[in-house]
Amino acid sequence: QSVLTQPPSVSAAPGQKVTISCSGSSSNIGSFYVSWYQHLPGTAPKLLIYDNANRPSGIPDRFSASKSGTSATLGITGLQTGDEADYYCGTWDSSLTVWVFGGGTKVTVL
Amino acid sequence: EVSLVESGGGLVHPGGSLRLSCAASGITISSFWVSWVRQAPGKGLEWMANIKTDGSQTFYVDSVKGRFTISRDNAKNSVFLQMNSLTAEDSAVYYCATLSSPADYWGQGTLVAVSS
Repeated sequence: QSVLTQPPSVSAAPGQKVTISCSGSSSNIGSFYVSWYQHLPGTAPKLLIYDNANRPSGIPDRFSASKSGTSATLGITGLQTGDEADYYCGTWDSSLTVWVFGGGTKVTVL
Repeated sequence: EVSLVESGGGLVHPGGSLRLSCAASGITISSFWVSWVRQAPGKGLEWMANIKTDGSQTFYVDSVKGRFTISRDNAKNSVFLQMNSLTAEDSAVYYCATLSSPADYWGQGTLVAVSS
C-alpha cells in the first residue's frame, strides 16, 4: 500500500476533463513540493508538474495541478487519446526519509 | 541531447547479485542527486534509493536496506546500483532518474528478472 493515495482509475470522453487526487500526510505532501509524472508503457516516466503547480517547458497548459494541506490534485482538460497513460504523484517523506510515489492512476479516454 | 542509459539487467537466480549502471550524457551528473526507481510487472513506480551529488549521503527504502548499495563515479558521469540477495520480488524494470526540476531526466530502464 502506497504512502500517497491515488484513485486506481479515472475516465472521461475526449475533450472532457479529469482530475486525479493524491492524498498524503504532514510528513510528505504537507511539508514538501509535489511532482506529477505521466508514464506510458515501455517508456520513461515524464515530469508533468513540479513544485506543486509548475509545468516544465513543453508541457501544455491542459495539464494543471494544485496542493492544499496534505492533498494534491492533477487536472487534465481537453482530454485526448494520447493522454491515456498512468499518472503518479511523488514527493519526499521526512519521516520515512524516502521519496514516495502514489500508487498510480490509469487515465482512460472513452 | 541529454540521455541516461541503464545497463546491467538480466536473468539471475534467487540469492544472486547484479550491478546496474546508469551512464549520463549531455549533463554533468555531479550536479544531481540520482535515484533508482523500479516498476514490477503490473505494479506502480517504486522508489528504491538515492545518492547525493558528491556521494556523501544515501537513502534507501526499507525493503532493500542491507541488500542494495547505490554509488556513483562522477568522473565517469555514472551511478550504480549493486543488488545482492535478490528475490523474485525484485523482478522489475529499473530506471535511474534525477527527480529534479524543472528539468527531470530518466533512463529507458533495464529489466531484471529473478527466477530459478
